[in-house]
Amino acid sequence: AQSVTQLDSQVPVFEEAPVELRCNYSSSVSVYLFWYVQYPNQGLQLLLKYLSGSTLVKGINGFEAEFNKSQTSFHLRKPSVHISDTAEYFCASSGTDKLIFGTGTRLQVFP
Amino acid sequence: NAGVTQTPKFQVLKTGQSMTLQCAQDMNHEYMSWYRQDPGMGLRLIHYSVGAGITDQGEVPNGYNVSRSTTEDFPLRLLSAAPSQTSVYFCASRLHKRTGGNEQFFGPGTRLTVL
Repeated sequence: AQSVTQLDSQVPVFEEAPVELRCNYSSSVSVYLFWYVQYPNQGLQLLLKYLSGSTLVKGINGFEAEFNKSQTSFHLRKPSVHISDTAEYFCASSGTDKLIFGTGTRLQVFP
Repeated sequence: NAGVTQTPKFQVLKTGQSMTLQCAQDMNHEYMSWYRQDPGMGLRLIHYSVGAGITDQGEVPNGYNVSRSTTEDFPLRLLSAAPSQTSVYFCASRLHKRTGGNEQFFGPGTRLTVL
């Protein structure tokens, strides 16, 4: 069965510092992996996705993620965060049909 | 395109009342789904549909019914609301019934409180 684990429920960081949000997945079949962002009181927006090919995926707003099959991870990174990156971030995986989410990581950026 | 729309934005119900959360998309997407979002639990799949006339259960289907009579609409029904159904509900759609890595588009959500 498919599952997604986000290892940190909250990540506080100062503005302009780098950040990594961790995500591990498990699946017995090939998966597609996604990161979504949810700004306060809004719906979800796709940041980036991994389908196949290059393991380093670049997304919007300067975010990138690296797919690591041996460690079954798909960690999200940004080299320098802004106050506007404060939001909740969800990692998700899908096989052939259902999209399954992790429990989310709240990124709080402080000035 | 309006994308994925949901109504109402907010709703307060009393225990035992029934209601329908509306969801519509104008992108001719095959696949539609409903999630609930609760603090610390992420988004959990309630029901999904791979096309008109076809629905299936997700992770947390109990207490909810769905139908898909048209490609555009996918309403979620609460037959007898319970306080445990207090949550934020999101409808989502994507182009194809098989993921193929297709992006799933989300509506703005409905915040439901059951007293």
